[in-house]
Amino acid sequence: AQSVTQPDIHITVSEGASLELRCNYSYGATPYLFWYVQSPGQGLQLLLKYFSGDTLVQGIKGFEAEFKRSQSSFNLRKPSVHWSDAAEYFCAVGAIGGNTPLVFGKGTRLSVIA
Amino acid sequence: DAGVIQSPRHEVTEMGQEVTLRCKPISGHDYLFWYRQTMMRGLELLIYFNNNVPIDDSGMPEDRFSAKMPNASFSTLKIQPSEPRDSAVYFCASSFTAAEAFFGQGTRLTVV
Repeated sequence: AQSVTQPDIHITVSEGASLELRCNYSYGATPYLFWYVQSPGQGLQLLLKYFSGDTLVQGIKGFEAEFKRSQSSFNLRKPSVHWSDAAEYFCAVGAIGGNTPLVFGKGTRLSVIA
Repeated sequence: DAGVIQSPRHEVTEMGQEVTLRCKPISGHDYLFWYRQTMMRGLELLIYFNNNVPIDDSGMPEDRFSAKMPNASFSTLKIQPSEPRDSAVYFCASSFTAAEAFFGQGTRLTVV
């Protein structure tokens, strides 16, 4: 069975600074990988996903993530953070074949300061 | 597409009352998921359906919880009787496959 670890519970960055949120997964093969964002009082919105091919994936809102098989990681990055990016971010892993539900990490809360 | 639609958005009820949460998935999606989110336990998968059939309900916490999907466009999650520890945000999600999920806005349930 797959599992996901998001090592950072809470991260604070300054507006305009770069951002990297960490995600490590455990799975016996190449998984499907996802990042979701949840703003306060809202549902989870899909930022980006990786199924296969290019290991650098572009998403919405200027986010990107890179799949590194050797490190079992799928870290989320943004070159310049905006105050509106303050939210909870969830990494999720899915199994090849798509027959079992996603497994979500515990989430990383991002705070943005002026 | 309107996305996954959940109702109500907020529900406050007294302990012991029956609560019914509703979900309309995205048209054409074969999978429907019910999740519960709390500060302590994070996001938990309660149950999921494929083509209206429950596939795995091992996440349903107790017999007080039940879920149905009478047709492809509607699902309910029922709690009877409700307890204060059931207070949480309940999300419905749908997808073409099990390994993806499009979420609704959630129902915030408060049991007093």
